[in-house]
Order: sequence, then structure tokens, then C-alpha cells
Amino acid sequence: TQLLEQSPQFLSIQEGENLTVYCNSSSVFSSLQWYRQEPGEGPVLLVTVVTGGEVKKLKRLTFQFGDARKDSSLHITAAQPGDTGLYLCAGISSYKLIFGSGTRLLVRP
Amino acid sequence: DAGITQSPRHKVTETGTPVTLRCHQTENHRYMYWYRQDPGHGLRLIHYSYGVKDTDKGEVSDGYSVSRSKTEDFLLTLESATSSQTSVYFCAISESTRPGGELFFGEGSRLTVL
Repeated sequence: TQLLEQSPQFLSIQEGENLTVYCNSSSVFSSLQWYRQEPGEGPVLLVTVVTGGEVKKLKRLTFQFGDARKDSSLHITAAQPGDTGLYLCAGISSYKLIFGSGTRLLVRP
Repeated sequence: DAGITQSPRHKVTETGTPVTLRCHQTENHRYMYWYRQDPGHGLRLIHYSYGVKDTDKGEVSDGYSVSRSKTEDFLLTLESATSSQTSVYFCAISESTRPGGELFFGEGSRLTVL
């Protein structure tokens, strides 16, 4: 079974700080996705990375796919309270999406 | 927003009773999925469907069955609910024409088994 491990599990930071969330696996994935989930709602797709070494930016969020396609990171610059939520990475395995356990982010005003 | 409706949104039941959760989509997408979400486990795939009457097991399928008699409806059934099945259940659909593509999720169904 392919596993995706996310770290840290929980992160509490002050508004304006930078942070990085990691998603690691011992297996190669054809692509990785990042979702954000707010309380009481379903996850919402942020980005899909496909090519090893790929970097994608979404405003203050920067996503990177590792060269070997086994890991990914999400970097948030100048975090805001609106960034608070559960961040989940997901990889495609045998035509199904497998999710990591998530990183819960709290940005304090 | 993808048209996905889950029902019921909240349910409390007793151990041993049957429970059916319904997922309804208005997008005519081929792929539909049921996940459960528990603290510390992220989202775990229960069952998925790649077409009418075509379903397959996910990583945590024991104790669950599914049916898909119409493109728009995907039902998840717990034949005899247990306390370990207390969870939040999410339905998802895939907009992609290939399996494992980007998912759009419903708002979840919170099930409590006493």
C-alpha cells in the first residue's frame, strides 16, 4: 500500500509568518494534488503537480513536486487567518486518489 | 460549484441497524467515490464507481456495500452499523475523463453509531 505522510500534523503560527508543509512517500506518484478543507465542508482542490521538479504558484502559495516524484511541499508566504484549515496531499495510485493524513494549520491574527 | 448533494447530512443510529447514505450529482460524471474521514487518518477510500453498476473496493471496504443504478446516484450502505463506523463520510465525483483525476467533494455526512 502506498502511503503519504504529511508533516507537521499541526501548525499554529502568527499572521504574517511563512510556513512549509511537507508530503512524503516511498513510492513514485504520477501526480500529486493539494486540497484545503475548512470545518464542516469537503476538501477543495488547490493544485495538481505532474512533472518532477515542477513548481506552481497560487498567489501566496507555492507548490513543489520533488524531482523523483515521491514528495511535495506547500509553502505559504505571509500567512493570513483565511489560510486556516486542513491541508491534504493526495496521490494517484491504481487509478484512485490516496490521501495523506493532513496538516492542520491555524493562523492567529 | 460541482452539483453534489449528500443525504442525510447528520445521522445518529444504534449498533446493528442498517444505514444508507446517498450521494446525488447533477454533473453527469462517470466516476464517484465514497471516503471516510477520521482524526489522524485523513481521507480513506471505501468504495468507488466507474460507471452504472460498475463498482470496486477501496482500502477500507469491510462492512460497507455500494450500489449505482443510475449515473447520478451512488449509495453507501452499512448493513449492520458498528461504533467503529462513526465517522464523517464524503462523496466525491471526478470531472476528469480518466480515473484518479481531480475530485470535487460533497459537504459530508456525519454518522454517529451508539
